[in-house]
Amino acid sequence: GESVGLHLPTLSVQEGDNSIINCAYSNSASDYFIWYKQESGKGPQFIIDIRSNMDKRQGQRVTVLLNKTVKHLSLQIAATQPGDSAVYFCAERPDNQGGKLIFGQGTELSVKP
Amino acid sequence: EAGVAQSPRYKIIEKRQSVAFWCNPISGHATLYWYQQILGQGPKLLIQFQNNGVVDDSQLPKDRFSAERLKGVDSTLKIQPAKLEDSAVYLCASSYLRGRVTEAFFGQGTRLTVV
Repeated sequence: GESVGLHLPTLSVQEGDNSIINCAYSNSASDYFIWYKQESGKGPQFIIDIRSNMDKRQGQRVTVLLNKTVKHLSLQIAATQPGDSAVYFCAERPDNQGGKLIFGQGTELSVKP
Repeated sequence: EAGVAQSPRYKIIEKRQSVAFWCNPISGHATLYWYQQILGQGPKLLIQFQNNGVVDDSQLPKDRFSAERLKGVDSTLKIQPAKLEDSAVYLCASSYLRGRVTEAFFGQGTRLTVV
């Protein structure tokens, strides 16, 4: 079936380094993508989104890159901080399924001080 | 602004028992979602409401799960009878407009353990 998956289940980085979290999606009809951050015991929190007519979007310390040719999405976090430690999910929205979001498995980011 | 409220936070039940979860969305949000998040996985949509109407319940196991949003505000999700594989976190989310997922806010979830 259709799914969104992440390449790495865990990622460990040193504080201050940049982090890159990758995601592969399979539905070429998806027109919208989102990265969520989920801390332990909390619900997912929106980080940044990107529409399919864009290939890059920047926020505060975060950048999302979209490569539709290979159906790949990435989240870059600059100057990673201990507070960035969490599980990160990418999600896609197929444009023919009424706004439903399909989430990937998640990558756990661990920041070492 | 108050966030999405869910209760209870935790629930432990035996298999074949029934359980209900409650969600109060952000005021004014017409769209409400229930997601199931199994440990180590991303959330999976169970049902989506627009006001008090169902938009998508294609992944809701209707033989045991039911949900309602009678007045277009609060919602309840029920499982009867529960199975071991229903152990998960049940997340409620709400958004202002259908499909406007940038405005979707999640509650803290209800962690269900079925023993």
